[in-house]
Amino acid sequence: QVTLKESGPGILQPSQTLSLTCTFSGFSLSTYGMGVGWIRQPSGKGLEWLANIWWDDDKYYNPSLKNRLTISKDTSNNQAFLKITNVDTADTATYYCARSQFGAFAYWGQGTLVTVSS
Amino acid sequence: DIQMTQTPSSMPASLGERVTISCRASQGISNYLNWYQQKPDGTIKPLIYYTSNLQSGVPSRFSGSGSGTDYSLTISSLEPEDFAMYYCQQYDSSPLTFGSGTKLEIK
Repeated sequence: QVTLKESGPGILQPSQTLSLTCTFSGFSLSTYGMGVGWIRQPSGKGLEWLANIWWDDDKYYNPSLKNRLTISKDTSNNQAFLKITNVDTADTATYYCARSQFGAFAYWGQGTLVTVSS
Repeated sequence: DIQMTQTPSSMPASLGERVTISCRASQGISNYLNWYQQKPDGTIKPLIYYTSNLQSGVPSRFSGSGSGTDYSLTISSLEPEDFAMYYCQQYDSSPLTFGSGTKLEIK
């Protein structure tokens, strides 16, 4: 059974760095073709893809967030991470992680709400 | 970036009705198109991958089709649990992009 669960700080202040963790089970990020992606959704709005990391440590980022994103993984502990630097109120959203394989996000976490507020 | 235009943005429909949601890409995406369902509690469920392939466990009343720039999701006979948001997503090129969503509402 594949499960993913996101965790984050809940609330943080503008200019801080957002650190998110995706803890998963039922698959390994060392398996050929496997990946984990991060997607976010501001309240009442649509989905925005942020980044993907693959079994071979290849990484892809959404250029709209310029150089603010860093994705990484800990294969031994079945975790993936996303850092977003210099957050502002526009980064307030629910953040999802999802298993990525053959181009599709076939399993999603429940999401974690992150609020940026002073 | 490839823009995904989804229509309609909302659709009132009745139980048992057949509905179709459309998704148009700003350029050809070679069938690299997925569909997702989102419930009001935020839960996201994958429905279809590579234009027309049902994800495991998805009822056969869901189907997908299309080619080039134009794609669609059809639900052949609406069930109560189908009233939700639906999103298309292209993976032909990075950045991956989603449609703006279609809210399927009870008429």
